[in-house]
Amino acid sequence: AQRVTQPEKLLSVFKGAPVELKCNYSYSGSPELFWYVQYSRQRLQLLLRHISRESIKGFTADLNKGETSFHLKKPFAQEEDSAMYYCALSADTDKLIFGTGTRLQVFP
Amino acid sequence: GAGVSQSPRYKVAKRGQDVALRCDPISGHVSLFWYQQALGQGPEFLTYFQNEAQLDKSGLPSDRFFAERPEGSVSTLKIQRTQQEDSAVYLCASSLEAGRRYSNQPQHFGDGTRLSIL
Repeated sequence: AQRVTQPEKLLSVFKGAPVELKCNYSYSGSPELFWYVQYSRQRLQLLLRHISRESIKGFTADLNKGETSFHLKKPFAQEEDSAMYYCALSADTDKLIFGTGTRLQVFP
Repeated sequence: GAGVSQSPRYKVAKRGQDVALRCDPISGHVSLFWYQQALGQGPEFLTYFQNEAQLDKSGLPSDRFFAERPEGSVSTLKIQRTQQEDSAVYLCASSLEAGRRYSNQPQHFGDGTRLSIL
């Protein structure tokens, strides 16, 4: 079965600290992986996708097929990064399979 | 408008009533998706349209749930004889087109409709 696991419900860090939000997936083929972010009182929006291999707002994510992971990283967290982050998988069809999300809190 | 628009933003209904939730996708977007997000969970797929064709309805939880997109633009998600477990945020997303692996257009989400069943 296709599944996305985000083991941390909440991640709290201080401003300037490194951040890693974990995401593991279960899928036997070649998936497409995404990170979506939801800031307070805003709609869910795409942060980045693995095929783009780009850095958005200082965040990067590398697809590791051996470990079936797609962790989201940022070397120096900012207060404005505080939000809900969802990892998502698009497998055989175009629907997205989401994890349960991780709330990132960045303290000043 | 520039984004996906959903109405109403909030809906309260008594158990057993029927409800209809509306989604206006971004103009020109071929694909439209509905998701259900329960409290503390990630969005879960309900159904998918490409233009007016409903290509996947595998996520609809029961035959009380029905979705349509008759002219290939606006979509309506209808829930009949609502139950308390239907309480959730219902999200609509649209994308320019879909169906090609590794060139999928990203999905753009609306603000959602928060449905509360009393």
